[in-house]
Amino acid sequence: GAGVSQSPSNKVTEKGKDVELRCDPISGHTALYWYRQSLGQGLEFLIYFQGNSAPDKSGLPSDRFSAERTGGSVSTLTIQRTQQEDSAVYLCASSPGWATEAFFGQGTRLTVV
Amino acid sequence: SQQGEEDPQALSIQEGENATMNCSYKTSINNLQWYRQNSGRGLVHLILIRSNEREKHSGRLRVTLDTSKKSSSLLITASRAADTASYFCATDAGNYQLIWGAGTKLIIKP
Repeated sequence: GAGVSQSPSNKVTEKGKDVELRCDPISGHTALYWYRQSLGQGLEFLIYFQGNSAPDKSGLPSDRFSAERTGGSVSTLTIQRTQQEDSAVYLCASSPGWATEAFFGQGTRLTVV
Repeated sequence: SQQGEEDPQALSIQEGENATMNCSYKTSINNLQWYRQNSGRGLVHLILIRSNEREKHSGRLRVTLDTSKKSSSLLITASRAADTASYFCATDAGNYQLIWGAGTKLIIKP
């Protein structure tokens, strides 16, 4: 595609519900990142996928968070039993490899009420 | 963890003036990147400077890197209203994780 696509753009969910956030990276990009950004803050690294290698999940804040990347392309970030502190903008980025620029989607604004 | 620290946190200048933002980091890096973010959503890559480079230009942007001081600066010349945004530096320490600072919020007054 022309750019990184994320869906939904906005999601309001009740505390305790599960949510799935989707990221469609730029075709051919082997690296995919998920970040979380709280209001007025920088980006918090969540998880990194590179080709067929095992993902780096070291940034996931709890075991309620998980992510997968199917076929080296589309990625889904799942948050189980959402909490209010999960409210943030979740940003996905892809890049052709590492040590190169990252291309970001517009993000999913998650609000847990 | 936060590697890059931008300074100042906020900057307000008149249109046409130059804006300078600084970024300091803690560990050795492969490269340092600057990004712009409008309206709290997606980030746009502005410029990447490698650890063996000292200065780089792109249009009205000028980036410097001083690895001995572990710092970088972003200069925007002849600022425009459209430059109003938050600017972030991100460092690549060679382990593919871009580490981000909290950003500088730039406001260009007409």
